[in-house]
Amino acid sequence: DTEVTQTPKHLVMGMTNKKSLKCEQHMGHRAMYWYKQKAKKPPELMFVYSYEKLSINESVPSRFSPECPNSSLLNLHLHALQPEDSALYLCASSLEDRGANQPQHFGDGTRLSIL
Amino acid sequence: AQTVTQSQPEMSVQEAETVTLSCTYDTSENNYYLFWYKQPPSRQMILVIRQEAYKQQNATENRFSVNFQKAAKSFSLKISDSQLGDTAMYFCAFMKHGGSQGNLIFGKGTKLSVKP
Repeated sequence: DTEVTQTPKHLVMGMTNKKSLKCEQHMGHRAMYWYKQKAKKPPELMFVYSYEKLSINESVPSRFSPECPNSSLLNLHLHALQPEDSALYLCASSLEDRGANQPQHFGDGTRLSIL
Repeated sequence: AQTVTQSQPEMSVQEAETVTLSCTYDTSENNYYLFWYKQPPSRQMILVIRQEAYKQQNATENRFSVNFQKAAKSFSLKISDSQLGDTAMYFCAFMKHGGSQGNLIFGKGTKLSVKP
């Protein structure tokens, strides 16, 4: 069982829909991450939150809007997505975003399909 | 800029045998960390093993061990007594010391199939 919980596991949405992906951890981690992963490719970093503040935004289009309501929760709000946004979206967390003594823990991901 | 190269897109091994996955990297940093992550069909990325560059001793975790050659910038993963549950994508990753974990650099991955 994963300690990072992502919901939903699968999501199909139209290009005009608004939906949200959710990620939750209760390990006391203060850094949380969103990754996008296309089939047979490595994960690509989208956002990093450190102590509930956005610290890295890898030039992600504004149709993806992250939110960190508290230290345990991370959301990714989706609006007006394109078919090329179909992918696996992975959430991860780590004790802090600096250093590698406490590595990232990943969730099972949300498989997103845009019609 | 750092790069991570995994030259084997796919590999297969018979159950109970040993397999080695290759990884090379390029960096001008002296202190850094290297990782192997496993991603089975269940999709979760799982950390398999971690190596600090300043440690000469190769890391081991049960059936998993690495051959870290700093001068050659090589970081291969050896899986002994392969099990069906080892079937997965394996990603090699690099992170510089003191950097953000958001700056993990992944290789393109090696798909490993363990055959009964």
